[in-house]
Amino acid sequence: DAKTTQPNSMESNEEEPVHLPCNHSTISGTDYIHWYRQLPSQGPEYVIHGLTSNVNNRMASLAIAEDRKSSTLILHRATLRDAAVYYCIMDTGRRALTFGSGTRLQVQP
Amino acid sequence: DTAVSQTPKYLVTQMGNDKSIKCEQNLGHDTMYWYKQDSKKFLKIMFSYNNKELIINETVPNRFSPKSPDKAHLNLHINSLELGDSAVYFCASSHQGVHTGELFFGEGSRLTVL
Repeated sequence: DAKTTQPNSMESNEEEPVHLPCNHSTISGTDYIHWYRQLPSQGPEYVIHGLTSNVNNRMASLAIAEDRKSSTLILHRATLRDAAVYYCIMDTGRRALTFGSGTRLQVQP
Repeated sequence: DTAVSQTPKYLVTQMGNDKSIKCEQNLGHDTMYWYKQDSKKFLKIMFSYNNKELIINETVPNRFSPKSPDKAHLNLHINSLELGDSAVYFCASSHQGVHTGELFFGEGSRLTVL
């Protein structure tokens, strides 16, 4: 099974950058790395995904290690609305996306 | 306009009853999913349909029967409800492809079985 490892929780201060780590040591060459987040009482929301190169979008940046066995989701300036559970998922193409327990991000004012 | 919409948002019912949750997406996607999020907050895939055909069934009890009348709709019918069925059920959709790409989720339907 495509497994990722994330810290259970992290804290950040408002308007500071946040780096959320993820290990995916069993990743293979064609597996994509996805990040989703789930705000309280809402459905999961797509954040970003990538294969090999670093990726940027309006929500976040994804930094992928050269050996692809780990990645980091970067929120450049955390806001209170970014408090959520962040899921790092490997998309192997062999099954639907499988969500783990994620990292609960708390943002302090 | 809501991309993926589910009804009802809340459902409270007695054990043994039969209930349905409806899902519709207006994104033109070919693939739709049902996920279950239990009290421990784990989100698990239940079913996936591609162009009205079942492609994933993750060992869900046969009391759960998904139905896809067209590729924009995927409904979930549950027979003989049990206490353990209490959860939030999320519908999602995506474009067809080997890799899932971006999943769009509905807001969830909270089912409480008494």
